[in-house]
Amino acid sequence: AQSVAQPEDQVNVAEGNPLTVKCTYSVSGNPYLFWYVQYPNRGLQFLLKYITGDNLVKGSYGFEAEFNKSQTSFHLKKPSALVSDSALYFCAVRGGNTGFQKLVFGTGTRLLVSP
Amino acid sequence: GAVVSQHPSRVICKSGTSVKIECRSLDFQATTMFWYRQFPKQSLMLMATSNEGSKATYEQGVEKDKFLINHASLTLSTLTVTSAHPEDSSFYICSARDAGTGGQNTEAFFGQGTRLTVV
Repeated sequence: AQSVAQPEDQVNVAEGNPLTVKCTYSVSGNPYLFWYVQYPNRGLQFLLKYITGDNLVKGSYGFEAEFNKSQTSFHLKKPSALVSDSALYFCAVRGGNTGFQKLVFGTGTRLLVSP
Repeated sequence: GAVVSQHPSRVICKSGTSVKIECRSLDFQATTMFWYRQFPKQSLMLMATSNEGSKATYEQGVEKDKFLINHASLTLSTLTVTSAHPEDSSFYICSARDAGTGGQNTEAFFGQGTRLTVV
């Protein structure tokens, strides 16, 4: 069975500093990995995905994520955080061998960027 | 990205009544839509997968008679919470994938969610 772990419930960072939100996964076959962001009382917005190719994936709003196969990780990063980045972030995986096309989400990490 | 519209964004209903939530793909066709439930400060729990023209597939533990799903067209799926009770109060989110490009490697697009409060 596929699973996703986000070990941090909350990440605090000062504006202008780099941020990292951690994600590790477990899946059969090649993983398809996604990051989504959720603002209060809103649905999820797609940030970026890894399918194949370069391990460093660039996405929306200056975010990027690095796929590390040996560590089964897909950490979300941003070089310089903004207060407006404060939100709930979800990592998700879909297994390559899965015929049923559903995403499995992590528990989410709340990012708080202080001015 | 593609747009998924969910309506209403917020609804309050009395215990025992039914509530219908609509999920529409506005600029693409979605043969499959997904319904999630999110509890406060928790992740998304997949409730069911809605397939156009056929019966929905429910996840284990989800009552199909309580959460009725209809996917009558390629752009609309509805979730009806029947005989709602306060414990059904939650945030419900739908998502859809583009039928034309929706392979395993494509992202899903999400509606803005519906906050249901049963009083």
